[in-house]
Parts: sequence; structure tokens; C-alpha cells
Amino acid sequence: GESVGLHLPTLSVQEGDNSIINCAYSNSASDYFIWYKQESGKGPQFIIDIRSNMDKRQGQRVTVLLNKTVKHLSLQIAATQPGDSAVYFCAENIAGSYIPTFGRGTSLIVHP
Amino acid sequence: DGGITQSPKYLFRKEGQNVTLSCEQNLNHDAMYWYRQDPGQGLRLIYYSQIVNDFQKGDIAEGYSVSREKKESFPLTVTSAQKNPTAFYLCASSIDIQGAETEAFFGQGTRLTVV
Repeated sequence: GESVGLHLPTLSVQEGDNSIINCAYSNSASDYFIWYKQESGKGPQFIIDIRSNMDKRQGQRVTVLLNKTVKHLSLQIAATQPGDSAVYFCAENIAGSYIPTFGRGTSLIVHP
Repeated sequence: DGGITQSPKYLFRKEGQNVTLSCEQNLNHDAMYWYRQDPGQGLRLIYYSQIVNDFQKGDIAEGYSVSREKKESFPLTVTSAQKNPTAFYLCASSIDIQGAETEAFFGQGTRLTVV
């Protein structure tokens, strides 16, 4: 069935570098997307969201880009810090549904 | 502070026994969910509930049961029929305005181990 997927299961970066985590989605009816951060042994935490009528949204050190043409979502983290090390999930909500569907996740490892 | 609380954090169960995981929220959210997470995997939906006294099966409901007698509470029972219950269980809630675009808030999870 249709699902949210990620291109890179593990991403290693040096502290201070910028990180880019990618996500591909296949359901063209999805209209709301969320990035979550999950630290080891904890529940996911909301980072940033974007609606389908937008193509970019910025937060503090994070930017989400949405390309509906190729059904691609990315999370950019500026000046990555060791505290950013976690698993990052993208989730999509199909239009008319409040239930988020999650992808597999990408593990971000930040080296000091 | 408002939030969603899962208990216990760690749970051990003998094979053949049922066990109930607690989930309580004081966010006044209508919708609640249970997800299962296996190592290196994403979150898979077990059950969800939109309103009190109503719930729906998710993608992997077999071997699980839930109840929603109160808005604040959505306990999950892992029954002996669940063949591979060892996993990390996550409860979440969200404001449910039908079709609204809102994020889910998660508890800290319960790690269930069958011994």
C-alpha cells in the first residue's frame, strides 16, 4: 500500500555541519506533514510541520521543504549539535484524516 | 503541566499472560492512538479512538484490545494471542477536529518484554 518512506536510514555528520534528512511519500492525497524527533527510549517529539499549500517553512535552526511535484519532503538542520542526535520521522496526514502515518525513520548521528 | 503519561515505563510478562498498558492525557484531546515500534522500525498503528466509547482497529490490531471509557484514558491490553508482543509501545493524542491538521503528542513509551 501507499506509505511514507525515507531515503537514508543513517546519517552521520560533524558538529556544526548542516544536516538534511529526506522523506519520500507516495500518497498524493496527503496534505499535512510533520517531522518528529525521537531520542533513545523516549516518545517522538514534534519539530515542525508544513501544509500542502506551502513549499517551505522555517523554525529555529530547522527548515522543512515540500516538493509536491515529486512527493518529497526534507528536514534541514542548521549548525547540527550533538543534542540533535536522534531518530527523525516524517509523518503524513491524508486529507480528511486526522491519523498520522509514519515512515521508517532516519538515525542522525552527530560527531563532536 | 499538560501532557500524556504512559505507565509503567518497563513491563515484563510471562508468555500466555495478558497485560494492560496505561495511557492518560490531560490535554483535553479527543483522539488517542496506540502505536507499536520495533527496533529500527517506524511506528505501526494498533488502535485509535476518536471519541469516548468508540475505537477502531489500526494496521496491526490482532492480539490487542483497547477501551475508551473516559476521554482522558485509553488503556491497551496485550493479550496472549499476540504472537510477538515484545516491543516499545507508544500512546499519542491529538485534537480531533475531523480532518484538521494537528500534530500528535506522544507519551514516553512502555517497553514490554515477554520472558
